[in-house]
Amino acid sequence: DTAVSQTPKYLVTQMGNDKSIKCEQNLGHDTMYWYKQDSKKFLKIMFSYNNKELIINETVPNRFSPKSPDKAHLNLHINSLELGDSAVYFCASSLETRSPQQFFGPGTRLTVL
Amino acid sequence: GNSVTQMEGPVTLSEEAFLTINCTYTATGYPSLFWYVQYPGEGLQLLLKATKADDKGSNKGFEATYRKETTSFHLEKGSVQVSDSAVYFCAISGGSYIPTFGRGTSLIVHP
Repeated sequence: DTAVSQTPKYLVTQMGNDKSIKCEQNLGHDTMYWYKQDSKKFLKIMFSYNNKELIINETVPNRFSPKSPDKAHLNLHINSLELGDSAVYFCASSLETRSPQQFFGPGTRLTVL
Repeated sequence: GNSVTQMEGPVTLSEEAFLTINCTYTATGYPSLFWYVQYPGEGLQLLLKATKADDKGSNKGFEATYRKETTSFHLEKGSVQVSDSAVYFCAISGGSYIPTFGRGTSLIVHP
């Protein structure tokens, strides 16, 4: 059984388009996250939601908008895609906000042409 | 704020060699310390953890000891295998709820 799943796994699109990445966790966790990993493997946190409420919003362009319809889902919508948005995006979850261990999804490789 | 410093990679070893990947941190309070591993094309997965000073985390032959006096959590394995080739991330969590990851160290093991 997949604990944290993301779709799609690969996403290739043109500059200026709008796209979404979906994330679901079946672990019963309260907190979910989005990370961006660049080509040098540097992992940067973007957002965190706890029970559908936004609790972390790092310095991210407002073209990125997370949405959490329920605590098991955290989707990421990106408007007006730019070349620099090309990266691997990881969803993760943890039992609660201050829970130290995170569980990661398999990642979505976004390529903007 | 919290920060994690890892040794630069890639680390290239022959099979059965000894591995050390250094990790030091700065943090307020008493953070929990982690090593995550990322195999090619996959997400990160927890390798081992330690929650208090002098604790030793271990898994799959890897070990790391929480050294508060030197603020370090170095990863070691006595005999690496080709299948250990991956990127290893040191991370801390505590105080602030924002998890802090190191920049990752790539390990390449040759047969």
